[in-house]
Amino acid sequence: DAGVIQSPRHEVTEMGQEVTLRCKPISGHNSLFWYRQTMMRGLELLIYFNNNVPIDDSGMPEDRFSAKMPNASFSTLKIQPSEPRDSAVYFCASSFASGNSYNEQFFGPGTRLTVL
Amino acid sequence: GNSVTQMEGPVTLSEEAFLTINCTYTATGYPSLFWYVQYPGEGLQLLLKATKADDKGSNKGFEATYRKETTSFHLEKGSVQVSDSAVYFCALNYGQNFVFGPGTRLSVLP
Repeated sequence: DAGVIQSPRHEVTEMGQEVTLRCKPISGHNSLFWYRQTMMRGLELLIYFNNNVPIDDSGMPEDRFSAKMPNASFSTLKIQPSEPRDSAVYFCASSFASGNSYNEQFFGPGTRLTVL
Repeated sequence: GNSVTQMEGPVTLSEEAFLTINCTYTATGYPSLFWYVQYPGEGLQLLLKATKADDKGSNKGFEATYRKETTSFHLEKGSVQVSDSAVYFCALNYGQNFVFGPGTRLSVLP
């Protein structure tokens, strides 16, 4: 199993540019999570999907952030326009949820985003 | 609501020392409990888990026991190695709620 795949691994962009982060979950998993990690705020849950449907997006910082999951094998997190304070490592994770219970999450390697 | 509290780091130990990282939780029911480890430059990896009271999770010499009476899930290892240097996260899952603690950084010196 290839695990959770994220791309790109590193992204450097200038303030105001659009940034798109990509994630391919583990095959067979039906839940997908986007996290942001910084030294100051630690690990923050941004949004998660179950069966491709967004369940909780209360962690999305503001309207500049949007996430989609068009099918079971692909998700994107978009920031438009980007700002320096968005600099962080963004993780995607997937798991298998049965009924109302979620099993352990499997994390991707992360995308390190730097906004200049 | 559900929450996880971990001991603040960083924790610095000498090789072969005994490790304890405390974790306590608050939950409305009986959650599943997890310890994740994050090595430098990598994503989080599941280290061990326990799904019901008195269960003991173990992996790579690490252990944690689900204590319902004290709502705790402390991580222990009898003899740490330099390669155990990482950040450790305690987490819980209850229904559709998945909560991570703030993480505890462990540094093991040779």
